[in-house]
Amino acid sequence: GAVVSQHPSRVICKSGTSVKIECRSLDFQATTMFWYRQFPKKSLMLMATSNEGSKATYEQGVEKDKFLINHASLTLSTLTVTSAHPEDSSFYICSAPGPMDEKLFFGSGTQLSVL
Amino acid sequence: SQQGEEDPQALSIQEGENATMNCSYKTSINNLQWYRQNSGRGLVHLILIRSNEREKHSGRLRVTLDTSKKSSSLLITASRAADTASYFCGSSWGKLQFGAGTQVVVTP
Repeated sequence: GAVVSQHPSRVICKSGTSVKIECRSLDFQATTMFWYRQFPKKSLMLMATSNEGSKATYEQGVEKDKFLINHASLTLSTLTVTSAHPEDSSFYICSAPGPMDEKLFFGSGTQLSVL
Repeated sequence: SQQGEEDPQALSIQEGENATMNCSYKTSINNLQWYRQNSGRGLVHLILIRSNEREKHSGRLRVTLDTSKKSSSLLITASRAADTASYFCGSSWGKLQFGAGTQVVVTP
């Protein structure tokens, strides 16, 4: 099946720094990728839809200047958490629709801890 | 906005028992999908049921869909300890939105 690789799996950073998370589709092309955020025992909140070659589409309430998304190629999308604060600490997961465009393939997630 | 809502929030059963969890959604869908998530990991697709289907089977999984009630159920038969995970439903009309999941614990 299709594989989505997400890195890093865990990152600890200081307040005020920026953190970049990468999401790669390894054996298929993904013109669209989705970024989710998950709090402990809570639902996955869709943050934004990343579109290859164009601007990302952000969900209501998500700050686009805070969470920068770049989808520069058909296999790579990046999420940069800018000027991170402790409240940004969370589990971030990316996903991409498979070749049939119905089911999603997920990365393994990134646990971000901001001190 | 959150689309799927799973029920119950948590379920604890013994190996060999069946586990049933439900999902309700708010708007029209073209399909509904169930995923599982092991702690600290990404989600893995389990099964997809289309809006014109009422029931679907895959191995020990059985999914039903009632579009009139905007609800779906996932049944895991003869559960195993390895089934311990959180289960999410996601409903799709362009992009998947998930609920909070059902945390299932299967004890040996």
